[in-house]
Amino acid sequence: SQQGEEDPQALSIQEGENATMNCSYKTSINNLQWYRQNSGRGLVHLILIRSNEREKHSGRLRVTLDTSKKSSSLLITASRAADTASYFCATDDAGGTSYGKLTFGQGTILTVHP
Amino acid sequence: GAGVSQSPSNKVTEKGKDVELRCDPISGHTALYWYRQRLGQGLEFLIYFQGNSAPDKSGLPSDRFSAERTGESVSTLTIQRTQQEDSAVYLCASSRTHRRSAFFGQGTRLTVV
Repeated sequence: SQQGEEDPQALSIQEGENATMNCSYKTSINNLQWYRQNSGRGLVHLILIRSNEREKHSGRLRVTLDTSKKSSSLLITASRAADTASYFCATDDAGGTSYGKLTFGQGTILTVHP
Repeated sequence: GAGVSQSPSNKVTEKGKDVELRCDPISGHTALYWYRQRLGQGLEFLIYFQGNSAPDKSGLPSDRFSAERTGESVSTLTIQRTQQEDSAVYLCASSRTHRRSAFFGQGTRLTVV
């Protein structure tokens, strides 16, 4: 079944550095979304990029989407200790019997050291 | 309320008991999702409701799991004869419709002892 897979599984950087996380998926999508999770509870939506878009920005976040490679990247610039969290990509299935189902990857654990 | 509300926030139950988890989505959201997240793991899809369409139950791990949703309102996830491997955080999310960003509740942490 469709699933986003993040890479790396864990990332440790110093405050001020940039953090890049990647996501790969397997089938056609309507859009790809990135979420953040603190402390293993509810997820917070960060950004959505549609299948006909290649790049999108939101504050310190930059997301790219390459549908030919079925991959996306999330870049966090000038990271802060408060960015420490788990980051998940989610794909919105484009077809099949479950149009619009959101499927999540395993996540990247980001640690930003002060 | 303004966000997705889940109850209870924590539940400890004895093995073999049934549990019912509740999700109140954001008003007007037609899509509702249930996920399970084990400690340190990603989100495992369980079930997806979209408007009046038949729900996608393909992620339910066994026939001990079931979920209902009345119209576009509250959903309940029921786990019968709980097992220790059912221990996890159960997350609910809703979105205005499919193809839109989802808003998550804080989850129910289920512990089966």
